[in-house]
Amino acid sequence: AQSVTQPDIHITVSEGASLELRCNYSYGATPYLFWYVQSPGQGLQLLLKYFSGDTLVQGIKGFEAEFKRSQSSFNLRKPSVHWSDAAEYFCAVDYGNKLVFGAGTILRVKS
Amino acid sequence: NAGVMQNPRHLVRRRGQEARLRCSPMKGHSHVYWYRQLPEEGLKFMVYLQKENIIDESGMPKERFSAEFPKEGPSILRIQQVVRGDSAAYFCASSVLHRGPENSNQPQHFGDGTRLSIL
Repeated sequence: AQSVTQPDIHITVSEGASLELRCNYSYGATPYLFWYVQSPGQGLQLLLKYFSGDTLVQGIKGFEAEFKRSQSSFNLRKPSVHWSDAAEYFCAVDYGNKLVFGAGTILRVKS
Repeated sequence: NAGVMQNPRHLVRRRGQEARLRCSPMKGHSHVYWYRQLPEEGLKFMVYLQKENIIDESGMPKERFSAEFPKEGPSILRIQQVVRGDSAAYFCASSVLHRGPENSNQPQHFGDGTRLSIL
C-alpha cells in the first residue's frame, strides 16, 4: 500500500530550539522523497528532496533531512528554529505518476 | 520566470453550479497534476495529464469531475453540479518531464491553489 505517515499533528517548539519532524513511508524500491512547507492560504514550497546518493540532504532555509532505509524514514530537522518557520510541513513520496502526501505537521513557534 | 499559475485564487459557487479551475504550468513544463486538500487534511492526488492526454486519473471521483490539458491554453479542472463536500483547496503542480532515473532531478512545482467554497 502506498502510504506516508507523519505521526505528529502539531508540534510546538521555542524559538532557537532544535526541531525534528518525523516521516515514515511504505515503498518497495528506493523512493523519491520530498518535504514541502505550506503557510496559511498559500501553496506548497519545496524545502528539499532526496533521489539517491548521500542520505543527508540539505534544503532551503537551513533545513536538512536524513533518509534511513532501514527505518523507512525521512525526518526533517533544523538546528535552530525561527518564528518565521511556523507553518505546516508535508512529507511526500513519489509513487511514479503522483505524489502521496502525509497528513502534515503544524509547527508552532513560541517566543 | 513565472511559476505555476492558478486562477481564480478563490471561487464561490452555489450548490448545483459548475466550477472551472485553471492552471498554467511553468514555462517548458508539459506535465500537470491536480491535487485536492480538504480542510485539516493533506493533499490527495486527483489526476495527471500531459498535453491532450490523461495519463492517470485514479484519484478523480467517478462522477461530476473532469480534467483536460489542451494543446493550447491552461489545464482545466471542471466540477459539475457542485456539492458542499467539494469545498476544498485545489492545487495544480507541473514538472518538466515524467520523473524517473534518467531525469530524477525534476520535482513537481506547485501553484498557490484555488480555494473553492460551496454555499
